[in-house]
Order: sequence, then C-alpha cells, then structure tokens
Amino acid sequence: DAGVTQSPTHLIKTRGQHVTLRCSPISGHKSVSWYQQVLGQGPQFIFQYYEKEERGRGNFPDRFSARQFPNYSSELNVNALLLGDSALYLCASSSTGANTGELFFGEGSRLTVL
Amino acid sequence: AQSVTQLDSQVPVFEEAPVELRCNYSSSVSVYLFWYVQYPNQGLQLLLKYLSGSTLVKGINGFEAEFNKSQTSFHLRKPSVHISDTAEYFCAVISVYNQGGKLIFGQGTELSVKP
Repeated sequence: DAGVTQSPTHLIKTRGQHVTLRCSPISGHKSVSWYQQVLGQGPQFIFQYYEKEERGRGNFPDRFSARQFPNYSSELNVNALLLGDSALYLCASSSTGANTGELFFGEGSRLTVL
Repeated sequence: AQSVTQLDSQVPVFEEAPVELRCNYSSSVSVYLFWYVQYPNQGLQLLLKYLSGSTLVKGINGFEAEFNKSQTSFHLRKPSVHISDTAEYFCAVISVYNQGGKLIFGQGTELSVKP
C-alpha cells in the first residue's frame, strides 16, 4: 500500500515568490497535518485538516495557508517567501482527527529560498 | 502550553551497547507522549506512545520508554543497539485536550552507532 506521498521532493525558489506543496494521504485517512522542519530542529506544527475542515493552526504568519480536497489530499501554500522559510515541509496523515492516533509522515518537500 | 527538551543533541554509542535518550517535558495539563525516529532522507516513523496505563511502554525495534509523571520525563531506552539504529530521534507531546493534532516536538537527538 502507498504511504503518504508528497510533491515536489525538492524545489528552489527566490525571495518573494510563491510555492505550493502537495500531499496525498494514505488511502482511507481523513486527517492531514503539515509540519515545518528547519535544519537541526524538530518539526513545528503548521496546520491540521480533518474532513476538509481546519482543526488546528500553529504559530505561523498568514503567508501560510492550506486546504484539503474532497479526496482528502492537501495543499500547503506559502506566499512572499522569505529566506527563513527554507526548510523540510512534512505532511502527515492519520485515520482520525483525534490526538491519540499515530501520524504517518511522508518524506517531505525540501524548500530552498534564495 | 507545552514544551519538550531533549537533553542530548548527539549520542554516540558502540554496537551492542545499551542506550538511553533523555526527554523532559513541561505542561500545565495532562499530555500524551510519543517517540518518533527519522532515518536519513526519510519521514518520521512512530516508535512508541504513552496514552495511559502502564508507565513502561514497549515499541518497535526493541525500544521501550518509561513515563515518569513526577519528573515529567519520558526517556527512551534500548538494551543493545545495532548499526541500523543510527538515526535522529524525536520526543513529542500533545495535550489530552487538543483536538487539532498539534504535536510539540523536541529538538531531536542524533544517535550514532559505531561498530
């Protein structure tokens, strides 16, 4: 069975540009979460979506937005990119929106902002 | 609010030696606790979790962790490590009241197993 898939795997952008990252959850999983992992640090929570509704938002500026589609896939959008947005962006899915469930992570999209 | 401190950023050990990766947390409410592992160029994988019940939790690959509420710790242990255990290990917590899936991760501990 396919795990969580993310695209693109690597991308390079310049300051001020916009980026869209995509995530397909494990089949049957209805919850998708996004995390930002800066080099040398632990992942930081950005968003969680469950059944196409936002369930939680981390401490990130409004330049970050996300949505979940009817097939439960998700997009993370970042506008007006800054150098500090360079990071590994991880998507995780789970079968429920509950906080006791195991999160299944994708391999991430590595964004470099020049 | 919750926070997680992993007390060692790097832990080098020899193969077949025991290892302990230390994790302390801070929270004003009850939490669930997790350990995740990240192999090079891969996503995170759940090793084990504590939700309730026995404070000694067993996970995959021979790892176990003990929840100590009085010391607010959740240390990860393995009696005999293998080369293949070389990876980054993350401790994480979430409030039992949080419905938003907001895991709070520590900074990570890099376990390096040498032959």
